Amino acid sequence: GAVVSQHPSRVICKSGTSVKIECRSLDFQATTMFWYRQFPKQSLMLMATSNEGSKATYEQGVEKDKFLINHASLTLSTLTVTSAHPEDSSFYICSAGAEKQFFGPGTRLTVL
Amino acid sequence: GENVEQHPSTLSVQEGDSAVIKCTYSDSASNYFPWYKQELGKRPQLIIDIRSNVGEKKDQRIAVTLNKTAKHFSLHITETQPEDSAVYFCAASIALNQAGTALIFGKGTTLSVSS
Repeated sequence: GAVVSQHPSRVICKSGTSVKIECRSLDFQATTMFWYRQFPKQSLMLMATSNEGSKATYEQGVEKDKFLINHASLTLSTLTVTSAHPEDSSFYICSAGAEKQFFGPGTRLTVL
Repeated sequence: GENVEQHPSTLSVQEGDSAVIKCTYSDSASNYFPWYKQELGKRPQLIIDIRSNVGEKKDQRIAVTLNKTAKHFSLHITETQPEDSAVYFCAASIALNQAGTALIFGKGTTLSVSS
């Protein structure tokens, strides 16, 4: 299957700081990427759809000013968690693919 | 919008037994149904998928069945092995306003296979 990478794999930050997470499709071009959030022992919750060259589409209840998404190229989407707070601590995972979705390895965010 | 229900939430079987996980969906427009396996701390891996024009698909010990009329689909794992232990997620596709589809996931089933 296609390869999707994500960086960093783990980040610990202080409350109030911003954190940027990168998602890359390594061997294919992705006009659309997806960002999910996963709490321990829970399912994958779709946060937003990242569209190359245009604005992201956010799911209901997800603050677009809190979770900034940029998809500047066909192989890179970034998610920036702005002014992070402890409740933002979670596992963030991206995926890419036309119909079959391939997931990145995820980023464990811990906000102190 | 699409809603995907998955049952059971946990499933324990003996090695060699079969395991069945069931999902229902609400949006009749959904036409693609993948299953993912997620081991602890790792990314979900696509293990099998089915499209709405097919009723059943097999890949070695894994099979998926789809009943489009009833809007439910199931994952069947035969001859289970300890390494099958993981969380399994079903998903259903939804069409995006722009080209492409997104996936809505069920809540997951934790499968434990004991030897």
